[in-house]
Amino acid sequence: EAGVAQSPRYKIIEKRQSVAFWCNPISGHATLYWYQQILGQGPKLLIQFQNNGVVDDSQLPKDRFSAERLKGVDSTLKIQPAKLEDSAVYLCASSFSWGGTDEQFFGPGTRLTVL
Amino acid sequence: DAKTTQPNSMESNEEEPVHLPCNHSTISGTDYIHWYRQLPSQGPEYVIHGLTSNVNNRMASLAIAEDRKSSTLILHRATLRDAAVYYCILPPSSGSRLTFGEGTQLTVNP
Repeated sequence: EAGVAQSPRYKIIEKRQSVAFWCNPISGHATLYWYQQILGQGPKLLIQFQNNGVVDDSQLPKDRFSAERLKGVDSTLKIQPAKLEDSAVYLCASSFSWGGTDEQFFGPGTRLTVL
Repeated sequence: DAKTTQPNSMESNEEEPVHLPCNHSTISGTDYIHWYRQLPSQGPEYVIHGLTSNVNNRMASLAIAEDRKSSTLILHRATLRDAAVYYCILPPSSGSRLTFGEGTQLTVNP
């Protein structure tokens, strides 16, 4: 079974530039998550999709971050404009459904460096 | 989300058992206890979860206190590959949001 795919794996940009990350979840998984992990901290949920609808985006900085999930499959996360504090690993995860017992499968992450 | 408390770090020797504790005194009756771990430079991976009874799988065992206010993840024979950050998480019963704390950094000595 193929895992969660993410690209790019690494990205270096200057502050105020824009960047986009792509995620392809495990086939058949209805729920998709984007997490931000700053060095030395645990991952923090940014946004959660159930199919192509947003379930939870309470911690997404909406003035600069946006995300969409096209046709309930792939997803993109965009930052525009980037700030220095956005330097982090961005993790995508998926799960079969939306329940307290569902295992989340994580991708390898995209490491973003903002200079 | 119910709060969990874990030690910042623990050490073990290879091929010895490891007991990773987690306190969750504000757990509700319907909260599941999940454990994930994160190896260096990788995304987190699911380890095990349980509600009331002790649970076993190929990776680990989960021992849950009778009052459910604490639990212990047990690695029966630690290997070097088990060196990781281990997170104890209580997802909300109404959804699947995972709130990660800082976890326990497990070091395995050869």
